[in-house]
Amino acid sequence: DVVMTQSPLSLPVTLGQPASISCRSSQSLVHSDGNTYLSWFQQRPGQSPRRLIYRVSNRDSGVPDRFSGSGSGTDFTLKISRVEAEDVGVYYCMQGTHWPALTFGGGTKVEIK
Amino acid sequence: QVQLVESGGGLVKPGGSLRLSCAASAFTFSDYFMSWIRQAPGKGLEWISYISQTGSIIYHADSVKGRFTISRDNAKNSLYLQMNSLRAEDTAVYYCAAVAGSSLDYWGQGTLVTVSS
Repeated sequence: DVVMTQSPLSLPVTLGQPASISCRSSQSLVHSDGNTYLSWFQQRPGQSPRRLIYRVSNRDSGVPDRFSGSGSGTDFTLKISRVEAEDVGVYYCMQGTHWPALTFGGGTKVEIK
Repeated sequence: QVQLVESGGGLVKPGGSLRLSCAASAFTFSDYFMSWIRQAPGKGLEWISYISQTGSIIYHADSVKGRFTISRDNAKNSLYLQMNSLRAEDTAVYYCAAVAGSSLDYWGQGTLVTVSS
């Protein structure tokens, strides 16, 4: 199975400041169809996960534009341009390129300093 | 508004069985692959199973293979997970999710399964 490695594990951020989360895969996530199936999910405390980004950089409906995804091949990044209080939670990357096993990163906890 | 509502969780003894259900509404259930994902207390997300639109394609993670079985009833807009031979390490919140474009579009709120004597 493809291993997804996120860093850092914990990310203390000052309100209004940017934040960046890294996700690396053990294999290239470029599918034979040319797409890269890398998604980002946010899990706020006590809530179920919700998707923020799909196919590396496509924001889901209703997701604030302060969230952006980038990357290619095996290296991906989720950026929050200006962290707000509601952004506190754990963020996960997930690969959907190498079926049958979908795999998640270990998660990055974003907290306010 | 899209809804996925899981039910059937609870406390069960090691070696016991449990059947989880997931009721879908406000989207065309039969158009989607469906999946189960679990999260042990204080831990990350673990994908464990998915099923194709007609049920012809099924896959289980090694951690549950041979013990868990995913199924669906499109007429009832429902997804199921039959869990047998439960172990303490199966203790987790179990989420159902709709799969599209090799990603997880919609998630339920989860149901807690606790395996303990």
